[in-house]
Amino acid sequence: EIVLTQSPGTLSLSPGERATLSCRASQSVSSSYLAWYQQKPGQAPRLLIYGASSRATGIPDRFSGSGSGTDFTLTISRLEPEDFAVYYCQQYGGSPRTFGQGTKVEIK
Amino acid sequence: QLQLQESGPGLVKASETLSLTCTVSGGSISSNSDYWGWIRQTPGKGLEWIGTIYYSGSTYYNPSLKSRVTISVDTSQNQFSLKLSSVTAADTAVYYCARHLGGNYYNAFDIWGQGTMVTVSS
Repeated sequence: EIVLTQSPGTLSLSPGERATLSCRASQSVSSSYLAWYQQKPGQAPRLLIYGASSRATGIPDRFSGSGSGTDFTLTISRLEPEDFAVYYCQQYGGSPRTFGQGTKVEIK
Repeated sequence: QLQLQESGPGLVKASETLSLTCTVSGGSISSNSDYWGWIRQTPGKGLEWIGTIYYSGSTYYNPSLKSRVTISVDTSQNQFSLKLSSVTAADTAVYYCARHLGGNYYNAFDIWGQGTMVTVSS
């Protein structure tokens, strides 16, 4: 099983700042089968990024993903008020599909 | 616009079987040769993939749950279902149904239901 470790656990930032979230895999994620999701309280996760760097439909370009192998990054270039949420990475190259434990982006 | 909606009992007794259904609206469950999945979320373990079914009925399960899980599809009702047997308190979670992006098992989940809370009682 591929274990995904996200860091930091919590990121305290102000609107307009840049957020950099990390996801590290215990073994290489094949074909960059890595996704990022955003989740707000009481809501289902929302797909932001798939294939490590492709934005899902309707996702603003302030969200970007990068990385390969075992190290992946989600960057939010300028935080908007609606971006404060919990972010999860997920790998779908191995079985079982696994998720990271999440990074909470909170208002400083 | 494709939408998914989970339904089923919110309370299940320990040792019994949890049964949930996901109804697909705004499109056919089989029109794009789609794959459909179940994921659950708990405060302790976070998000956990339970399993996935192809519209034709092929299934893929999380090995940690495989002995207790059955996922099935009913194309005539535009639904797919989850059964989890011999439940314990550890199965208390929010259960989500979701669709794999692009009709590909090797892809992320792009459309999710709103989730349904299931509590296992002793």
